Amino acid sequence: AQRVTQPEKLLSVFKGAPVELKCNYSYSGSPELFWYVQYSRQRLQLLLRHISRESIKGFTADLNKGETSFHLKKPFAQEEDSAMYYCALLRRGGSEKLVFGKGTKLTVNP
Amino acid sequence: NAGVTQTPKFQVLKTGQSMTLQCAQDMNHEYMSWYRQDPGMGLRLIHYSVGAGITDQGEVPNGYNVSRSTTEDFPLRLLSAAPSQTSVYFCASSRDGGNTEAFFGQGTRLTVV
Repeated sequence: AQRVTQPEKLLSVFKGAPVELKCNYSYSGSPELFWYVQYSRQRLQLLLRHISRESIKGFTADLNKGETSFHLKKPFAQEEDSAMYYCALLRRGGSEKLVFGKGTKLTVNP
Repeated sequence: NAGVTQTPKFQVLKTGQSMTLQCAQDMNHEYMSWYRQDPGMGLRLIHYSVGAGITDQGEVPNGYNVSRSTTEDFPLRLLSAAPSQTSVYFCASSRDGGNTEAFFGQGTRLTVV
């Protein structure tokens, strides 16, 4: 089965601390993975995608095919990073579908 | 620059009532989809469309109907609302459903009593 697992429902860190939001996937083939973020009272939006190999708002995510992971990392968390984070996998085969994990709520404390 | 617009933002229904959640996008995107967001369940795909006149089922299609008569609009219909359909519903669109960014509406919070 092709799915995305985010093992942590809640994650709480202090401002300035490193943060890592975990994402594991199961997929036969070359995965295409994304991180989406939903800030309070805002709509869901794309944070980054693995093919871009970019850093957005200080966040990076590296695809590790050996560990089937796509963890989201930031070296120094800020209070404005508090949000709901979703890892997503593009599932191909017939029509393409974006499959989401259950999400991790990140709280950055002052 | 409207993007993806959902109406209404909030709705309360009685069990058995029907209603349509509206979704419109002005980006000429081919791919549109509906998700429901429930605590601890993340976003689950209800229905999706790869273009006008073409729709297909997602993970949780039961109790919902969709149609896509135009590129811009993708309404979601609840024929007979049930309390289990209490959720936040999100509509999304993307250029082609592939490795392109999905743009989301602001959501519709539906309560079925």
